[in-house]
Amino acid sequence: GAGVSQSPSNKVTEKGKDVELRCDPISGHTALYWYRQSLGQGLEFLIYFQGNSAPDKSGLPSDRFSAERTGGSVSTLTIQRTQQEDSAVYLCASSLAQGLTDTQYFGPGTRLTVL
Amino acid sequence: AQSVTQLDSQVPVFEEAPVELRCNYSSSVSVYLFWYVQYPNQGLQLLLKYLSGSTLVKGINGFEAEFNKSQTSFHLRKPSVHISDTAEYFCAVRGPSGGYQKVTFGTGTKLQVIP
Repeated sequence: GAGVSQSPSNKVTEKGKDVELRCDPISGHTALYWYRQSLGQGLEFLIYFQGNSAPDKSGLPSDRFSAERTGGSVSTLTIQRTQQEDSAVYLCASSLAQGLTDTQYFGPGTRLTVL
Repeated sequence: AQSVTQLDSQVPVFEEAPVELRCNYSSSVSVYLFWYVQYPNQGLQLLLKYLSGSTLVKGINGFEAEFNKSQTSFHLRKPSVHISDTAEYFCAVRGPSGGYQKVTFGTGTKLQVIP
């Protein structure tokens, strides 16, 4: 079956512009995660959605970052007034949320470059 | 909060030689440990995971890892590497921080297999 998909695969934008990154999770997966992968660093947790519960936004680095998940499926990560330090690969993952042994499945990522 | 340390940012190794990628974690309570692989321009793929039971865990592509609670380590090993193993490897831990839903990743180790 189809895996996690993300679009666009690459995004180049100018400093100060807003960007939207999209994630389509695996059908039936109730949990969805966003991570940021910066050069030379590990994956940084951004936000977590689980079903209809309030999302865990504790990883968002600033109020310029927001995310929503419509209908419990597709998610959009929005970065307002982008800065050069926002340049990174943004990864989305989904899972069945089967508990502590849950396995995450990752999308290919969106590479964001802020000029 | 839990954390993960990958001591080597890059590991060059000749083809058919053995390799060990090191990972240490910090947590005062039980955790679940994972290794992911990221091939160039692809998303992360789960290699193996330790949840409980036998401390030696076997994964895909001939990799294995051993959980050592006393040393808080989860090193990844392969007895004979192939060119196709060239990739970046991430150690990750899921622990009580964030209710076991957050996965904390290490900074990654780039494995370069030399012909």
